[in-house]
Amino acid sequence: KQEVTQIPAALSVPEGENLVLNCSFTDSAIYNLQWFRQDPGKGLTSLLLIQSSQREQTSGRLNASLDKSSGRSTLYIAASQPGDSATYLCAVRPGANNLFFGTGTRLTVIP
Amino acid sequence: SQTIHQWPATLVQPVGSPLSLECTVEGTSNPNLYWYRQAAGRGLQLLFYSVGIGQISSEVPQNLSASRPQDRQFILSSKKLLLSDSGFYLCAWSLERDTEAFFGQGTRLTVV
Repeated sequence: KQEVTQIPAALSVPEGENLVLNCSFTDSAIYNLQWFRQDPGKGLTSLLLIQSSQREQTSGRLNASLDKSSGRSTLYIAASQPGDSATYLCAVRPGANNLFFGTGTRLTVIP
Repeated sequence: SQTIHQWPATLVQPVGSPLSLECTVEGTSNPNLYWYRQAAGRGLQLLFYSVGIGQISSEVPQNLSASRPQDRQFILSSKKLLLSDSGFYLCAWSLERDTEAFFGQGTRLTVV
């Protein structure tokens, strides 16, 4: 069964720092990997989608990489801002009908 | 553009009462629809998914059921709620397996 792990569980950084969030998964047979952001008490907002054939995707200050063979993905956030504070979730899609989620990294950016 | 609506946003229900949560998607046709539950401090767990009208698959045995009466409508129900049904329920949709999944804003259910 696919298992997704996110490390660290929580992270605090001063504003302006660059940071990396990690995601690992046990089964490399995936169609894609998706990074989400969740604000407290809210739904999930999609940040980036990486197809299994891709190595990375970029959107603004965010860059996500995928190494499918080693079962790893990273989300790089450049020049962090207080508004980036949220929980970041990664999810892998092994088939058409499910996403397997990690438990997330709670990020706090200190002004 | 596509949007997904979930309601209500919060709900407090007594044990043994029925439940109906609704999710609708706009701007797309024949989406795959999903219900997830997020328990405090835990990851998201898939409860049900649907690939078409009347087609429901359950991922975990539970006190809940789902229905899809229309192409873009997905309903989560229970006849009698348990305390353990409390949680944050999220509806999601996607198209083909290699496309993004999009989530609604969630329903916070507290069973008392």
